[in-house]
Amino acid sequence: DADVTQTPRNRITKTGKRIMLECSQTKGHDRMYWYRQDPGLGLRLIYYSFDVKDINKGEISDGYSVSRQAQAKFSLSLESAIPNQTALYFCATSLAGAGRRNEQFFGPGTRLTVL
Amino acid sequence: AQKITQTQPGMFVQEKEAVTLDCTYDTSDQSYGLFWYKQPSSGEMIFLIYQGSYDEQNATEGRYSLNFQKARKSANLVISASQLGDSAMYFCAMREPSGSARQLTFGSGTQLTVLP
Repeated sequence: DADVTQTPRNRITKTGKRIMLECSQTKGHDRMYWYRQDPGLGLRLIYYSFDVKDINKGEISDGYSVSRQAQAKFSLSLESAIPNQTALYFCATSLAGAGRRNEQFFGPGTRLTVL
Repeated sequence: AQKITQTQPGMFVQEKEAVTLDCTYDTSDQSYGLFWYKQPSSGEMIFLIYQGSYDEQNATEGRYSLNFQKARKSANLVISASQLGDSAMYFCAMREPSGSARQLTFGSGTQLTVLP
């Protein structure tokens, strides 16, 4: 089974609709992240959470909100979707602490289309 | 200002040859980490290799090596003996300790195509 899962994998929605993307992990990591990927722009950070009670805005948080329901679950919501939020969304996790590498592990991505 | 710059939008390499993907970075921190990720057409992000700023030796992971030139602020990925399965998008990323977040800043990526 995958360590980081995202649901749904694909979603088409209409402008103005509320949509939630969900992320679950079995890696036991404290830190979780949401990114979006647009062609030619790499990945950009939307929100991140260091633990259940610690949620922070990333580079492009406008139009998004998040909820950390448990250590293993981190959801991203678009309160009123707009077409320029069409993108590939990734959830990621990592260890906390002063470890040398602590690379981020990514989920498979959710392809969201807003019409 | 761009923190991670990948100047090669696309690269081609013949199968079994080596290829270098360029990455330059900008930071004022002394302690930082550099990462390379691979993204095949299926979309997932796969961690390849890591280099810490204090590591004296260049990182290697199988056919991947990182040519780290600290003074020039470059962290180029070298793939030896290219395989068809290496065709993918490759992202360079940097993690800095400044600020409260240990997130990654990504470059715009290089699309590598391995030719048979």
